[in-house]
Amino acid sequence: QKEVEQDPGPLSVPEGAIVSLNCTYSNSAFQYFMWYRQYSRKGPELLMYTYSSGNKEDGRFTAQVDKSSKYISLFIRDSQPSDSATYLCAIGETSGSRLTFGEGTQLTVNP
Amino acid sequence: GAVVSQHPSRVICKSGTSVKIECRSLDFQATTMFWYRQFPKQSLMLMATSNEGSKATYEQGVEKDKFLINHASLTLSTLTVTSAHPEDSSFYICSAREFGTGSNSPLHFGNGTRLTVT
Repeated sequence: QKEVEQDPGPLSVPEGAIVSLNCTYSNSAFQYFMWYRQYSRKGPELLMYTYSSGNKEDGRFTAQVDKSSKYISLFIRDSQPSDSATYLCAIGETSGSRLTFGEGTQLTVNP
Repeated sequence: GAVVSQHPSRVICKSGTSVKIECRSLDFQATTMFWYRQFPKQSLMLMATSNEGSKATYEQGVEKDKFLINHASLTLSTLTVTSAHPEDSSFYICSAREFGTGSNSPLHFGNGTRLTVT
């Protein structure tokens, strides 16, 4: 079993839709959670990070963490064609500095 | 925000040659940098952790003699792929954490280097 599971998609939605991206993890030692966006042939770009359960909002993006279920989500409201990219969840342990990445979900927002 | 610059963005080399990739933190100091490898449509796989002033820590299965890492200053880490072969063709990405921000602070990534070995 992978430490971090993420549905690779592809996910295709119309412009304006609400997008839900999810990851599950198995290691309860994971304590901080990040979402990165990666455009084709580019490095990952940090979108959001959080250390606690609950919601964190930044503009059209909301990150949600449920530590009891070991489940994290990223919601994108009013999705735009420019949001079309691969979204990677990344989860870190309390000690040390490793990040474990999900496989990435490929999102296409159609105009 | 924190910027990580990676150079070159793309390189094509012949089998048997060595290639050096540079990773620089432009507006912050980074005692630790990380090197990842990414194959098409796959996630990032950590290769090694680069520590300023000390030897790099390699992940299991990564050959340290093939992937030489040097972290000579707080703003520069280099990855040298020695005697490259076609199977080394991949997307190499470095990342860095800002010094003094703790092990829980987010990583910032460079834009990657696409290596093609012919």
